[in-house]
Amino acid sequence: DVKVTQSSRYLVKRTGEKVFLECVQDMDHENMFWYRQDPGLGLRLIYFSYDVKMKEKGDIPEGYSVSREKKERFSLILESASTNQTSMYLCASILSGGLQQFFGPGTRLTVL
Amino acid sequence: GENVEQHPSTLSVQEGDSAVIKCTYSDSASNYFPWYKQELGKRPQLIIDIRSNVGEKKDQRIAVTLNKTAKHFSLHITETQPEDSAVYFCAALTQGGSEKLVFGKGTKLTVNP
Repeated sequence: DVKVTQSSRYLVKRTGEKVFLECVQDMDHENMFWYRQDPGLGLRLIYFSYDVKMKEKGDIPEGYSVSREKKERFSLILESASTNQTSMYLCASILSGGLQQFFGPGTRLTVL
Repeated sequence: GENVEQHPSTLSVQEGDSAVIKCTYSDSASNYFPWYKQELGKRPQLIIDIRSNVGEKKDQRIAVTLNKTAKHFSLHITETQPEDSAVYFCAALTQGGSEKLVFGKGTKLTVNP
């Protein structure tokens, strides 16, 4: 069974703080994704990565960066958190050439 | 790029009734269309998917239909049960360059006992 885990289920940070959200998958998947989920807006893609040290912008990359130093780990970074980044963040992974995308449990981030 | 529209945003049915959720997509090159179910407080889980070379696929009480000409696909749930209550997302896999899923905005389905 594919397992995608995220470092925190709930996180509270203050405006201006640097925030790291970690995602780890244990199935040697090449492709990893970060989404944010907001009511009425669905799942919006922030960044994705097809390989180590490789990243591509999604639909809403502003205010975020990512890091993929190891194949199993994909980190989302908020350089200076703002209140409009309060959201649920979901990580996902998929095998290259595969179809089914597996999601992590999500991190609910609140920025005060 | 690909755009996926999903309707309705909320749907309330009585237990035992059928529920239908519809999605349209814009990129005719998209060739894979999954549906995810997200129960409250949980991660999205794939429940059914369809490839563009197939018009319909069924799995027990769930079915998905695809009309490539019209660029729309639908999720059908028959004999709904309270445990079907969740948010459902459709998606389309983009082609050309970086492959990624583009999601609809979701439908909150409530099945009333």
